Amino acid sequence: QKEVEQNSGPLSVPEGAIASLNCTYSDRVSQSFFWYRQYSGKSPELIMSIYSNGDKEDGRFTAQLNKASQYVSLLIRDSQPSDSATYLCASRSYNTDKLIFGTGTRLQVFP
Amino acid sequence: DAGVIQSPRHEVTEMGQEVTLRCKPISGHDYLFWYRQTMMRGLELLIYFNNNVPIDDSGMPEDRFSAKMPNASFSTLKIQPSEPRDSAVYFCASSPLRDRLNTEAFFGQGTRLTVV
Repeated sequence: QKEVEQNSGPLSVPEGAIASLNCTYSDRVSQSFFWYRQYSGKSPELIMSIYSNGDKEDGRFTAQLNKASQYVSLLIRDSQPSDSATYLCASRSYNTDKLIFGTGTRLQVFP
Repeated sequence: DAGVIQSPRHEVTEMGQEVTLRCKPISGHDYLFWYRQTMMRGLELLIYFNNNVPIDDSGMPEDRFSAKMPNASFSTLKIQPSEPRDSAVYFCASSPLRDRLNTEAFFGQGTRLTVV
């Protein structure tokens, strides 16, 4: 079992819709979680981080963390074609500070 | 700060040759990570350093791979001898220690390696 798992997609949503991206992790020692966006041919860039159970909102983005279920999600409201990219979920262990990524979910937002 | 700087951006080499990838982390960052990204396997952690000391190299695929961090501002990833299956994009990332929560990593632009 991979430490961080994501559905590879693609996830296709129409412009203006809510895109829901999901991630599960296996290491219960993981403390911090990150969502990165990666455009084709570019390097990953941070969208949001979360380490407390519940929701964290930043503009059109909401990250959700459920440590009991070992589940992290990212909601993108009012999706735009410019949101089309691969979204990478990552976990960071408090004990080791190791930063592990999932394989990413490709999101396509069509006009 | 200019961010994490990697060189070269592109490298094409013949099988059996030695390849050296270079990384300059953001000044003041305590951690440096080396990743390899392929379509099949995604972004794999190869090795990471804390204050120039290698902490975990369990992701290094074979003895052909080695990494060093001689000082806080420079790291290298070496592949000797290189093989076609090493073709991938190699990313270097650095992060500060801070409060150990919400401490994201910042990525360089990557080195696209092609071994023919």
